[in-house]
Amino acid sequence: KQEVTQIPAALSVPEGENLVLNCSFTDSAIYNLQWFRQDPGKGLTSLLLIQSSQREQTSGRLNASLDKSSGRSTLYIAASQPGDSATYLCAVMKTSYDKVIFGPGTSLSVIP
Amino acid sequence: NAGVTQTPKFRVLKTGQSMTLLCAQDMNHEYMYWYRQDPGMGLRLIHYSVGEGTTAKGEVPDGYNVSRLKKQNFLLGLESAAPSQTSVYFCASSPSGRGANEQYFGPGTRLTVT
Repeated sequence: KQEVTQIPAALSVPEGENLVLNCSFTDSAIYNLQWFRQDPGKGLTSLLLIQSSQREQTSGRLNASLDKSSGRSTLYIAASQPGDSATYLCAVMKTSYDKVIFGPGTSLSVIP
Repeated sequence: NAGVTQTPKFRVLKTGQSMTLLCAQDMNHEYMYWYRQDPGMGLRLIHYSVGEGTTAKGEVPDGYNVSRLKKQNFLLGLESAAPSQTSVYFCASSPSGRGANEQYFGPGTRLTVT
């Protein structure tokens, strides 16, 4: 059974720092992996989607990498800003969307 | 485009009461999903639909029913609410179930069952 974990559960950094969020999964037979952002009381916003054949995706200050063999993905946020404060979730997708498994999320606080 | 909308935003039920949550999307997406989110457990799939008139069970379907009579709407029903169903419910849609297509989420419905 696929299990997805995210460490740390919470992270607090000063503004301007570069940071890395981690996502680990137990079954390397994935189709793709998606990173989401969730603001308090809000729904999920897709940030980056990496297909299984890709190693990384970039969008602005965000870079997500995928290493299927080790069951890991990282989300790198450069030059963090207070507006980046949110919970970040990763979701692993198998052969179809009915098998999407979400991690519990990392709560990020960027201190001005 | 409004994207994915959910009605209501908040609801309090007593044990045994019934209710229906409505999800609507205006992106002409084929796939729609209902998730629940509980503290420390991530999102779990309740039911999903691969097209108008079809539904299928997800990871935690017990106590819920769904219907997809129109392509743009996906309804989640609780026939007899239990305190264990206190949660935040999210609806999502995607163009199809494969490939690089992303899921788009609604803002959520916060349900409390007392």
